[in-house]
Amino acid sequence: GIQVEQSPPDLILQEGANSTLRCNFSDSVNNLQWFHQNPWGQLINLFYIPSGTKQNGRLSATTVATERYSLLYISSSQTTDSGVYFCAVEVRGNTGGFKTIFGAGTRLFVKA
Amino acid sequence: DTGVSQNPRHKITKRGQNVTFRCDPISEHNRLYWYRQTLGQGPEFLTYFQNEAQLEKSRLLSDRFSAERPKGSFSTLEIQRTEQGDSAMYLCASSLALNTEAFFGQGTRLTVV
Repeated sequence: GIQVEQSPPDLILQEGANSTLRCNFSDSVNNLQWFHQNPWGQLINLFYIPSGTKQNGRLSATTVATERYSLLYISSSQTTDSGVYFCAVEVRGNTGGFKTIFGAGTRLFVKA
Repeated sequence: DTGVSQNPRHKITKRGQNVTFRCDPISEHNRLYWYRQTLGQGPEFLTYFQNEAQLEKSRLLSDRFSAERPKGSFSTLEIQRTEQGDSAMYLCASSLALNTEAFFGQGTRLTVV
């Protein structure tokens, strides 16, 4: 089955720093989303981005579907950005439907 | 609309008991998904519904697990004869249609003792 790899696995930043998180996937995908899981476990939508570039405030994302990767940029990081960032791809399932595969996540800690 | 709602938020049960969780998706969302997440891992796909039809099931979903969405609105996930390995966060998500973004509920944390 498809492999979804995220890097780096862990990241510690000083408040105000910028960072880039990467998601590689091993096969063609139907779509791709980025999520932030906060310390209380809630998964928050960041971007729905099967291809192209999107920006939302200090965050932006780029997916190059032909090269099978996506990048999440965080600029001017804040302590509230701490948590786990997941990349999730949707692919064809085994019985004709679709299934979503999550990467293992990047754990981010932003220091004040 | 208040988003995807899951109940209960927490459940502690004894090994061997049956448990049932409920998910209410965002109104008019046709697709509903169930995931399981253990500590330090990403969510694992369990199953999804298009309206009331269950279109995909993960091989992770053993015979002890069953999910329903009888009227194409809310869904239930039942685990029979729970085992300690079933302890996890169970997450539900919904989306309007194929190729649209999915929104998650806050999850039901199950502890099997």
